[in-house]
Amino acid sequence: KNQVEQSPQSLIILEGKNCTLQCNYTVSPFSNLRWYKQDTGRGPVSLTIMTFSENTKSNGRYTATLDADTKQSSLHITASQLSDSASYICVVSGGGGGNKLTFGTGTQLKVEL
Amino acid sequence: DAGVIQSPRHEVTEMGQEVTLRCKPISGHNSLFWYRQTMMRGLELLIYFNNNVPIDDSGMPEDRFSAKMPNASFSTLKIQPSEPRDSAVYFCASSHSSGAEAFFGQGTRLTVV
Repeated sequence: KNQVEQSPQSLIILEGKNCTLQCNYTVSPFSNLRWYKQDTGRGPVSLTIMTFSENTKSNGRYTATLDADTKQSSLHITASQLSDSASYICVVSGGGGGNKLTFGTGTQLKVEL
Repeated sequence: DAGVIQSPRHEVTEMGQEVTLRCKPISGHNSLFWYRQTMMRGLELLIYFNNNVPIDDSGMPEDRFSAKMPNASFSTLKIQPSEPRDSAVYFCASSHSSGAEAFFGQGTRLTVV
């Protein structure tokens, strides 16, 4: 069964600190993996998209890693800011039948002063 | 471009009533997606279109749900009759192709009482 599991479910950190969010998946065959940021009351916005051959991809203070062998991905946020408070959703494309998307339930991040 | 435009932003309706959600994708995008998001289940793909043709509607929960895309610039998601368990945020997204990055609208928050 195609699944995407994210951890932790929620996280609270102090402004300026770093954090790492995890995503494990069982989707096969694999096409790509995306991290989305969703602010409260808004639609998700893409942060990164990674294919099988990519190990690391950065977008400003966000760095995503992908280990296709262990089927794990992480999203590292450096020097967190209050505006990073959001839900971060891992989405894996593949699983047969075209680019079917399997969503994680997200990690709710709160950055506090 | 104004991005993906959804209307209405909020909808409150009584059980049994028909609900129609509307979406205008980004001009030039060939793929359009309808998602539903709840606290319990996270984001779920309901249906997606390529070049106005429904490709995968396996996520549509039941016959009460229907979606149309009469042209490249407009799509509707209809629920008839609506039930309280349909209460959720419904997102529309579009992309250049089914495997490319999807851009989300602001969503429609539906409450069925």
